Order: sequence, then structure tokens, then C-alpha cells
Amino acid sequence: RKEVEQDPGPFNVPEGATVAFNCTYSNSASQSFFWYRQDCRKEPKLLMSVYSSGNEDGRFTAQLNRASQYISLLIRDSKLSDSATYLCVVSPLGNEKLTFGTGTRLTIIP
Amino acid sequence: DAGVTQSPTHLIKTRGQQVTLRCSPKSGHDTVSWYQQALGQGPQFIFQYYEEEERQRGNFPDRFSGHQFPNYSSELNVNALLLGDSALYLCASSIATEAYEQYFGPGTRLTVT
Repeated sequence: RKEVEQDPGPFNVPEGATVAFNCTYSNSASQSFFWYRQDCRKEPKLLMSVYSSGNEDGRFTAQLNRASQYISLLIRDSKLSDSATYLCVVSPLGNEKLTFGTGTRLTIIP
Repeated sequence: DAGVTQSPTHLIKTRGQQVTLRCSPKSGHDTVSWYQQALGQGPQFIFQYYEEEERQRGNFPDRFSGHQFPNYSSELNVNALLLGDSALYLCASSIATEAYEQYFGPGTRLTVT
């Protein structure tokens, strides 16, 4: 079983729609959680950290369910510029190794 | 403020050869991590350097080795290249006390023929 599992997609979503991505992780010792965004042939960039209480950054909302070892990302009012691959990332406390999922590819359709 | 830089951008090598990739961390960062990203996959952790020592290592063979210099820059060396080593190699820098917050460089795309 992979340490971090994501639906690879692709997700093809019309502009303005809401889209949700899910991710599960297997290491219960994981303490830090993130969503990274990666554009085609570019480096990953931190989109947002994920906290147990959930957090929101503009159109983006991230949720963490420790009991189910499940992380989600919700994008509202999607824009063409949101087209990218979204990577779910976890890291154990005190261990700075980042473990990435395979990524979910999102394409926003005009 | 310069971000993470890597060189070269692209590289083509032949099986069995050796390669050295270079990384300069973001200003103020002292920790460098290296990742390998195969096509269609997420980045896989290779190793991390801090204070010129390898602090952590992922599931990569000894053919992969590295070094960190006193100015915090780093090199990744791969010996006896295999076709399967073809990938995007990413360097990420961070501050030791906040090493979960990593900033990635643009990567070096290595093709082994």
C-alpha cells in the first residue's frame, strides 16, 4: 500500500464549478499535512498547510480527519489558472521528509 | 531574494555514466533535500543534508550520494546510471527548525539513454 494515495484523475471541470480532491495516508505517525500545486514541467509549490481544525485560503479549503487518515481540498469558483496537478503531502513530526502522493491532475474548461 | 537554483536545467547521459547535479538553497536556508520525480509520479525523497551531514535517507541505492558545502549548497551524485534514473531531480531548501516548509527549485531533467 502506498503511503499517500490520491485519485490521479484527470478531473475536467467547467470554469466556475466546485471541485474536491481526496487523499488518504497510511502512517498514523504523520503530523504535518500539505497540499502542493505543480504546473506542467515546473516545480511543486506549497498551496496550503492542512490543520486539524480545517483551514481556508480564499477559494481553497483544506480539511484533515486524523481518525480516518484522510485529507481533502475543496476549490470553489474554479478559474482557468487553477489547472494544475495537486499533490497531497504528509510528514511525520520531527521527520522533515515529505511524502508525496502521485498527484491529481485538474483541468478547468472554459 | 533569489530562490532555490539548480544546474544544469537538462542533461542527457548514457547508461553506466556518472552525473552530478547542483543546488543552491534559498537565502537564509541551511537544509537541502533532494527528490526524484518520475513522469506521472509524485516526488520521491532521496536524502536530506544539514550541517554538511546526511540527516535522512529514502529508499534509494548507494549509487545515489550527496554532499553539502559550508555555504549550504549541495550536490547530488548518481553513479552507474540506469535507464530508470531518467527523471526530474528536485532540490528543496528549508530552515532546520522549520524543515517541513520546503521551497523547491526548478529541477534538473535527466535523461539516460
